[in-house]
Amino acid sequence: GAVVSQHPSWVICKSGTSVKIECRSLDFQATTMFWYRQFPKQSLMLMATSNEGSKATYEQGVEKDKFLINHASLTLSTLTVTSAHPEDSSFYICSASPPGQPQYFGPGTRLTVL
Amino acid sequence: AQKITQTQPGMFVQEKEAVTLDCTYDTSDQSYGLFWYKQPSSGEMIFLIYQGSYDEQNATEGRYSLNFQKARKSANLVISASQLGDSAMYFCAMREGWATRQAGTALIFGKGTTLSVSS
Repeated sequence: GAVVSQHPSWVICKSGTSVKIECRSLDFQATTMFWYRQFPKQSLMLMATSNEGSKATYEQGVEKDKFLINHASLTLSTLTVTSAHPEDSSFYICSASPPGQPQYFGPGTRLTVL
Repeated sequence: AQKITQTQPGMFVQEKEAVTLDCTYDTSDQSYGLFWYKQPSSGEMIFLIYQGSYDEQNATEGRYSLNFQKARKSANLVISASQLGDSAMYFCAMREGWATRQAGTALIFGKGTTLSVSS
């Protein structure tokens, strides 16, 4: 299947700092990528749809000023958690799909905000 | 109303036995795709199998098969000959518009089922 990478795999930061998470499609071009958030033992919650060359579409209840998404190229989308607080600690995972294929997920990023 | 319902929070099975994980869905679209993903404790989401709404045959992929009953709106995952490595959380998901190959549509996930395989 297609390969999606994510970096970093885990990050610990202090409250008030910003953290950038990268999502890359390694063997295909992705005009659309998706960002999900997952709390322990829960399902994945869609945060936003990242569109190459245009603004991201955020799900209801997701603060777009806090979770900045930039889809600068056909293989890279970034999620920046601005002014992170402990309640932002979670598992963030991105996905993308080649046309006509299932969505493939990155390995995820565990964010811990102290 | 939930679009994807997984009613089994946890399932237990012994090695080499078969297990069925339930999934029902709700959509008014005629075109959709149903997916199963496995999430081990490492957190990665592993794609297992999919079924398109227009597919007449049930999907199979190695030890995984999808029991698709369109009229009942169910898409159960059957794992044959369970292995210890199958212990993980399993998610059923749907993408509406799949059959039209719309890559820009997000997946809707169920709450998941934790499968535990014992020796």
